[in-house]
Amino acid sequence: GAVVSQHPSWVICKSGTSVKIECRSLDFQATTMFWYRQFPKQSLMLMATSNEGSKATYEQGVEKDKFLINHASLTLSTLTVTSAHPEDSSFYICSAYDRGSNQPQHFGDGTRLSIL
Amino acid sequence: AQKITQTQPGMFVQEKEAVTLDCTYDTSDPSYGLFWYKQPSSGEMIFLIYQGSYDQQNATEGRYSLNFQKARKSANLVISASQLGDSAMYFCAMRDVMNYGGSQGNLIFGKGTKLSVKP
Repeated sequence: GAVVSQHPSWVICKSGTSVKIECRSLDFQATTMFWYRQFPKQSLMLMATSNEGSKATYEQGVEKDKFLINHASLTLSTLTVTSAHPEDSSFYICSAYDRGSNQPQHFGDGTRLSIL
Repeated sequence: AQKITQTQPGMFVQEKEAVTLDCTYDTSDPSYGLFWYKQPSSGEMIFLIYQGSYDQQNATEGRYSLNFQKARKSANLVISASQLGDSAMYFCAMRDVMNYGGSQGNLIFGKGTKLSVKP
């Protein structure tokens, strides 16, 4: 069964709306979670690294104020796309794993975000 | 800087035959992990197989095996007895082993290979 739950799986909303995406690790404590963005027919691009209890580390070119990340517990990280615009439409996917282990990262099922 | 290269944008294979998906990597770190993920059209990332840089033997998981050639920095995925359900995007990825160089352990992905299995 799934070890990482991502919700919602699909969002359509109007331009200017803020959208929150949740990523939960179900049966392990995820000290680190990652947020990726994927455009059609392209690879996953790391947006930010989220560590429990501290500020997220953003990749170059990713706007911190646009993509707010919160990792308040060892099982939950959230990504909020603030004042979303059509160019923010994409597939967003999170992953989680126990930092320091050699275990694979487990991915959520992704969120398809469409901004009208 | 770390880099993953997948040179095959698309591959076709006949059902029940084996197929090899290429992956080469570049890193200066002595400790790293190599991963293969499958992404069907529905979008989820499915973990297939893992190879550690210090592992002596090639990893195998059911019909999946990883042909790890460290000197050549290649980590090709071999799928035996292809099935129609194997049609998907396949991503090779690399991760620093934690606690070396302050890495946070994020995955670096290749551009992927789209595998199509013909009946």
